Amino acid sequence: GENVEQHPSTLSVQEGDSAVIKCTYSDSASNYFPWYKQELGKRPQLIIDIRSNVGEKKDQRIAVTLNKTAKHFSLHITETQPEDSAVYFCAASMGYALNFGKGTSLLVTP
Amino acid sequence: EAGVTQSPTHLIKTRGQQATLRCSPISGHTSVYWYQQALGLGLQFLLWYDEGEERNRGNFPPRFSGRQFPNYSSELNVNALELEDSALYLCASSPTDTRGTQYFGPGTRLLVL
Repeated sequence: GENVEQHPSTLSVQEGDSAVIKCTYSDSASNYFPWYKQELGKRPQLIIDIRSNVGEKKDQRIAVTLNKTAKHFSLHITETQPEDSAVYFCAASMGYALNFGKGTSLLVTP
Repeated sequence: EAGVTQSPTHLIKTRGQQATLRCSPISGHTSVYWYQQALGLGLQFLLWYDEGEERNRGNFPPRFSGRQFPNYSSELNVNALELEDSALYLCASSPTDTRGTQYFGPGTRLLVL
């Protein structure tokens, strides 16, 4: 089955800095790669996603890049703010079940 | 538009009992997914229902089962509860035409004593 590795497991940045979270996947059949943000005690919230026919996607301060050849994808958050502090999960899918990475706990300090 | 809803929010059971968790998808979504979020194990796929049928299941024993009703709501049943079943159970729904795009409910926190 699909195996998704996510790094780092924890990340601390200062407000205004950029944060990068990286994921690799094992199954070349995966074609959909979403990112979720989960604040403490809340549901995972879809923040951005990318499909395998696209190399990069941006939404305001958030961007995702995909390298199909290397089977890795990354989340980039620019100009981080304290409210960006949360656990971020990457996932890979072949169109139905999501296979998640183990999460990155991001802390943005003022 | 109402989001995915789940009930109950919390459930306490003892080992060996059965638990039933419920999920209502976003209106117009026909697919429902169940995930288990246990401490230290991340989110793991349990079951996928679409148009009333079980389409796929993750690497969980048969005592995890469920069903989807004609109105697309879903129920997850966990029989013969074990201590390690304690976790947050999340339901997600997606529209048929973009099945990968999933929106999560708030979850049911199950505690097995």
